[in-house]
Amino acid sequence: GENVEQHPSTLSVQEGDSAVIKCTYSDSASNYFPWYKQELGKRPQLIIDIRSNVGEKKDQRIAVTLNKTAKHFSLHITETQPEDSAVYFCAALSTGNQFYFGTGTSLTVIP
Amino acid sequence: EAGVAQSPRYKIIEKRQSVAFWCNPISGHATLYWYQQILGQGPKLLIQFQNNGVVDDSQLPKDRFSAERLKGVDSTLKIQPAKLEDSAVYLCASSLHTEAFFGQGTRLTVV
Repeated sequence: GENVEQHPSTLSVQEGDSAVIKCTYSDSASNYFPWYKQELGKRPQLIIDIRSNVGEKKDQRIAVTLNKTAKHFSLHITETQPEDSAVYFCAALSTGNQFYFGTGTSLTVIP
Repeated sequence: EAGVAQSPRYKIIEKRQSVAFWCNPISGHATLYWYQQILGQGPKLLIQFQNNGVVDDSQLPKDRFSAERLKGVDSTLKIQPAKLEDSAVYLCASSLHTEAFFGQGTRLTVV
């Protein structure tokens, strides 16, 4: 099955700085890569996603890049704000339509 | 649009007792997932349904866990008997095409 690895596990940045979270996947047939934000005690919420036929996608301060050859994808958050503090999960959708999640990155934005 | 509904929100049981969780997916979503999220970890897939059929239950501990999705709508996940290591948040998600929508989860504590 698919194996998704995520780094770093914790990340602290100053408000206004950028944050980058990286994930790798093992199954070259995986074709959809969402990123979820989970605040304490709340459900995971989709913040951005990318499909395998696209190399980069941007939505305001959030962007995701995908390198299919290297089988890795990254989340970029620019101009970070305190409300960006949360746990972020990457995921990969396998050919069987199963989502495999990374282990999460706890992001803290310091005011 | 109504989201994925789960109940109960919280449950505390003693080890060796049984417990059941309920999930009502978004109307029209054929795919339903149950995930186990242990504190500090990413969601781990337990079982995936497509309508009322099981697509993947390879990571479901079948000696104690069972799940069903009658009529291809609501689903229940049962644990019998519970162990201390089953303490986690159990998340239900549903999907129409690719994007998965999560419920609030049920936080289970086994003492």
